[in-house]
This record gives sequence, C-alpha cells and structure tokens, in this order.
Amino acid sequence: AQRVTQPEKLLSVFKGAPVELKCNYSYSGSPELFWYVQYSRQRLQLLLRHISRESIKGFTADLNKGETSFHLKKPFAQEEDSAMYYCALSGGGSARQLTFGSGTQLTVLP
Amino acid sequence: GAVVSQHPSWVICKSGTSVKIECRSLDFQATTMFWYRQFPKQSLMLMATSNEGSKATYEQGVEKDKFLINHASLTLSTLTVTSAHPEDSSFYICSASGTRRIEKLFFGSGTQLSVL
Repeated sequence: AQRVTQPEKLLSVFKGAPVELKCNYSYSGSPELFWYVQYSRQRLQLLLRHISRESIKGFTADLNKGETSFHLKKPFAQEEDSAMYYCALSGGGSARQLTFGSGTQLTVLP
Repeated sequence: GAVVSQHPSWVICKSGTSVKIECRSLDFQATTMFWYRQFPKQSLMLMATSNEGSKATYEQGVEKDKFLINHASLTLSTLTVTSAHPEDSSFYICSASGTRRIEKLFFGSGTQLSVL
C-alpha cells in the first residue's frame, strides 16, 4: 500500500525566512513524487515533480529514498507563497494511482 | 494551460435527494476523469476513475450505486450522489487528463456538498 504523510497541518514563517514543508512516504517500489499547490480560492495545480529536478517559483524538493522523504524547500519565503501544499505519490506511474498527503497550510507573514 | 470546469461550486440539499456534479474539460479531450472526495483537514481520496464510453472503476469501499458516474463524452463527466445523507457532506473534486501522464492532470475547483 502507498501512503503519504505530511506531519504539519499548519506552518507559519516570516517573509524572507527559509521554509521547509515535510513529506514522508511509504511505498515498496520506485515511486514518483509530486508537490501540488492550492492558492486561496483556486484549484489544485502541479508545482513540481521529483523526476524533473526543477525549481519552480524558487521551490525545490529532493527525493531521499533512504529517509523516504520528499521535503519541499524554499530559501526565502514570499507572502505570495501562502497556500495549501499537498505532497503526492504515484506508484504505478499513472494518475489513477496518485495518493495525496493531508496537506500543509503555509502562511508567510509580512 | 488546460482548464477543467466543475459545477456547481457548492450545493445544499435535503436528505434523500440526489445531487449531480458536472466536470468539463474546456480546451482538451479528457479520455480519463477522476473523482476525489476530501473531508475537512484530510487528504484527497480517490473515489473512482472514469474512461470515456466505459463504466467507471470504483475504489475499494466506494458504493457504486451511491455515487453514479457517467462519462458520456470526451469533455464531460458527471457524479451523481443518490439519496444523499448528511454523512455524504464533503468536498468533491474532479480531475481530467487527456493522456496517462500525471503532469497533464488538471483539477476542477471542487464542489462543497452539504446535506441537511
């Protein structure tokens, strides 16, 4: 069974401070990991995926298979980063097998 | 980018009535659509997968007679909550994809259902 855990439901940081949103997963095979973001009153959208090894809006996430983690990081948080962030895992490479974490509400304070 | 329209955004109904939620892909053909349910402060849970022109595949524990899914065209899927009860109150989200690639999966804005 695949499982995604986001231990923090709420996270507040000040503008300009580093931010890290934690995500741990459980899966026996080789997973694909994703981060989705939902800004206020908007729909869920893909932020980044581990395969791409990209940085989107200053965010990066590294897959650590030893620790089964995929934490989302940004060195200098901005107020517009305030949103709900979901970590997600796909075990089969298809959208049907996408499992979401419970989400972390990030608030960046001025 | 691609857009998925979900309607209505919120609905309040009496216990025992049926509610239909629509999910439309506006600028692409969605061969596959997914329906999720989300309880407050909890994760999105996949309810079912629907492929255009065929019966939906329901996840374990989801009552297919309770949650009727129709995907009659490449741009429209509907979820009907039949004989709704207060425990069906939840946030329902659809997503659509024209391919099997996850990065091409687009989400609707969700429907908040409240059953009185």
